[in-house]
Amino acid sequence: SQQGEEDPQALSIQEGENATMNCSYKTSINNLQWYRQNSGRGLVHLILIRSNEREKHSGRLRVTLDTSKKSSSLLITASRAADTASYFCATADRGSTLGRLYFGRGTQLTVWP
Amino acid sequence: NAGVTQTPKFQVLKTGQSMTLQCAQDMNHEYMSWYRQDPGMGLRLIHYSVGAGITDQGEVPNGYNVSRSTTEDFPLRLLSAAPSQTSVYFCASSPDRGAYNEQFFGPGTRLTVL
Repeated sequence: SQQGEEDPQALSIQEGENATMNCSYKTSINNLQWYRQNSGRGLVHLILIRSNEREKHSGRLRVTLDTSKKSSSLLITASRAADTASYFCATADRGSTLGRLYFGRGTQLTVWP
Repeated sequence: NAGVTQTPKFQVLKTGQSMTLQCAQDMNHEYMSWYRQDPGMGLRLIHYSVGAGITDQGEVPNGYNVSRSTTEDFPLRLLSAAPSQTSVYFCASSPDRGAYNEQFFGPGTRLTVL
């Protein structure tokens, strides 16, 4: 399976601290995406980074991609209690049909006030 | 726009019953997909569609059927429910280029099979 794997499985920090989550995958990809899921809700897209990109920013989010190591990281700076959620990486195979997006098992982030 | 809507939000079935989970989007997206989410397993792709009349299997298609007669709707049918199909089901859509683009998710349907 192409499924990505997030690390750590759970992360607990104080408000104002930075949170870093990692994702590793197995095969060549077209892109890697990060999603957030609040408890009992659907997933919300955060960032998409393509295989020819190394870093992307969106507000307090910074995503890096290292295709040589088949890994990505999501950094949330100056975290807030509202950032408490599960975070998933998802990968789309290079050269596959357009339909297949593979999700990891997620990192549960808890931000304490 | 309502985005991606799913009905029902909750459903309890008995083993062997059949039912259809509804998914609709009003964004004129070509690509739609169904995932199931189980504790500790992340999301797994069941079926997907790259346009009206075109569907294909994902990672875990057994026990499920889909059809895509319109751009807006993508129902998921459980033919004969089994306890192993107890899960939360999410529908998603994307404007084009399928998995090469961001996905818009519905709120989910929580299904329990007794």
